[in-house]
Amino acid sequence: DAGVTQSPTHLIKTRGQQVTLRCSPISGHKSVSWYQQVLGQGPQFIFQYYEKEERGRGNFPDRFSARQFPNYSSELNVNALLLGDSALYLCASSPPYSGNTIYFGEGSWLTVV
Amino acid sequence: GENVEQHPSTLSVQEGDSAVIKCTYSDSASNYFPWYKQELGKRPQLIIDIRSNVGEKKDQRIAVTLNKTAKHFSLHITETQPEDSAVYFCAASPHGQAGTALIFGKGTTLSVSS
Repeated sequence: DAGVTQSPTHLIKTRGQQVTLRCSPISGHKSVSWYQQVLGQGPQFIFQYYEKEERGRGNFPDRFSARQFPNYSSELNVNALLLGDSALYLCASSPPYSGNTIYFGEGSWLTVV
Repeated sequence: GENVEQHPSTLSVQEGDSAVIKCTYSDSASNYFPWYKQELGKRPQLIIDIRSNVGEKKDQRIAVTLNKTAKHFSLHITETQPEDSAVYFCAASPHGQAGTALIFGKGTTLSVSS
């Protein structure tokens, strides 16, 4: 079975631009979470979506938004990019009835210049 | 809110030795503690996890122990091999937060030399 898939794998954006990152969960998983991992740090929780509804949000500004589609795929949007938004953005999905067990995708490397 | 401290930040061992990484957490209501292994340029991979109703869990050369009273949990790797070299992250699931809102430690870089 395919794991969590994310696109694009790498991208470079200019300060002030907007970016959309995409994620497809493991087949059968209905919950998707987004994390930001800055170089040298552990992942930091941004959002969780379940059945198209936001179920949790981390300590990130309103420039960050997300949504989940009927097929359980998800998009993360970041507006007005700052240099500090440069990071690996990880999507994770959770199997049904697993509570908080999450499996990460390979991530999208975002560089803001 | 929950805070997870991880030690040491770097660990070097000889092949065949054991390695131990320790994490402490602050929220006594946290109930789920996973460990992830991240190789350079790769995604974090779940290697083992433990829930608060269990004190120890093993999977081949890897084990995790949990001390709820002291609020700490540890990863034990026995008979280390060069392919165990990676960054290891512990995490905790705080009570009252979104189910998948894990709080991660800052990571331990494990180097296994042959």
